[in-house]
Amino acid sequence: DADVTQTPRNRITKTGKRIMLECSQTKGHDRMYWYRQDPGLGLRLIYYSFDVKDINKGEISDGYSVSRQAQAKFSLSLESAIPNQTALYFCATSDRLASLNEQFFGPGTRLTVL
Amino acid sequence: AQSVTQPDIHITVSEGASLELRCNYSYGATPYLFWYVQSPGQGLQLLLKYFSGDTLVQGIKGFEAEFKRSQSSFNLRKPSVHWSDAAEYFCAVDFTGGGNKLTFGTGTQLKVEL
Repeated sequence: DADVTQTPRNRITKTGKRIMLECSQTKGHDRMYWYRQDPGLGLRLIYYSFDVKDINKGEISDGYSVSRQAQAKFSLSLESAIPNQTALYFCATSDRLASLNEQFFGPGTRLTVL
Repeated sequence: AQSVTQPDIHITVSEGASLELRCNYSYGATPYLFWYVQSPGQGLQLLLKYFSGDTLVQGIKGFEAEFKRSQSSFNLRKPSVHWSDAAEYFCAVDFTGGGNKLTFGTGTQLKVEL
């Protein structure tokens, strides 16, 4: 969905490096999420934020941190990347006022940690 | 623990054949239910969703899904598959009653033979 953008789309880095993945949305949604996708494991929730002052850990938050700089921006950081953080990362948004709270996904960032 | 099961990792069908993708979840009450599709190199797109009402739900691209409370299932169907339907399909469940936290199944990769 072009309303949810992620940068970079691809990134190769080395073990121990600090990495930031960025997500921006123009949908005006208040809720934002970060997931990682691994083959055979589906998508797993890393962190989520229901508004600018609200940050919550998801299922697999260890080794990650996030920042909600504005309603439209939600960044994911890997403080010291390790190879098992190699994955496809998705940002998503939703509107708490919408029926059934559908989540809208960005195109993903493919991260490789060597 | 709450979980979502997609028992079929890979499914191959011929173009024009019917399709059914299975999804089961572990939960007592009726959760919010979703099916997403991920085309190669793309983000996730919502096909359909269900919370209440008619247990047969129509979605985009000719897909439908049926909720069966007795079986804790929400299977996705399409009467006649097109080659462009080749993709990965994810069942997702919001066990939080609209709290916007999705639990995803591990996905089913659909291959369409011409």
